Amino acid sequence: SQKIEQNSEALNIQEGKTATLTCNYTNYSPAYLQWYRQDPGRGPVFLLLIRENEKEKRKERLKVTFDTTLKQSLFHITASQPADSATYLCALANTGTASKLTFGTGTRLQVTL
Amino acid sequence: NAGVTQTPKFQVLKTGQSMTLQCAQDMNHNSMYWYRQDPGMGLRLIYYSASEGTTDKGEVPNGYNVSRLNKREFSLRLESAAPSQTSVYFCASSEWGGDYGYTFGSGTRLTVV
Repeated sequence: SQKIEQNSEALNIQEGKTATLTCNYTNYSPAYLQWYRQDPGRGPVFLLLIRENEKEKRKERLKVTFDTTLKQSLFHITASQPADSATYLCALANTGTASKLTFGTGTRLQVTL
Repeated sequence: NAGVTQTPKFQVLKTGQSMTLQCAQDMNHNSMYWYRQDPGMGLRLIYYSASEGTTDKGEVPNGYNVSRLNKREFSLRLESAAPSQTSVYFCASSEWGGDYGYTFGSGTRLTVV
């Protein structure tokens, strides 16, 4: 069966450090992978998209890598700040399913002073 | 503000009652989606509309119906609410083709008693 797995345990890191979140998938042939941020009581907010033929994508303090051999994406936030505390979701769309996304359950990030 | 607007924000229904969740977007997006989010389950796709005039089932369509009223509006109807439909419902929109992130609404918190 198809699975998207994100660490269900919260990630606690100190301000200024780099946070790294993992997204693993099985039985997908993703055309692309996306990362979202979700704050409590709010809808998810789109952060980054990386395509199957791209290895790495950056946006300001964010970096995403995509390894289709390992079937894994890593999401990095450098110089973390308390304002980065939120739940981060990864999402995949299979090749041929156009824009229909399937989401992981998310990892909660807590950045402390 | 531009974006996706959902109404209502909160609703309590009795088992067997019906209701319609409304969603409208003003970004001229072609595709619209309805997801539900439950603790530990992540976001699950109920129905989607790739373009005006088309609708398709997602992962968990049972007990729901949808209407793509026009390009802007996509409604979700519960004909006979059940406690299992207690959830947070999110509407989203995107450009067709998948290389774009979703824009989500702020959600409707529905409780069925």
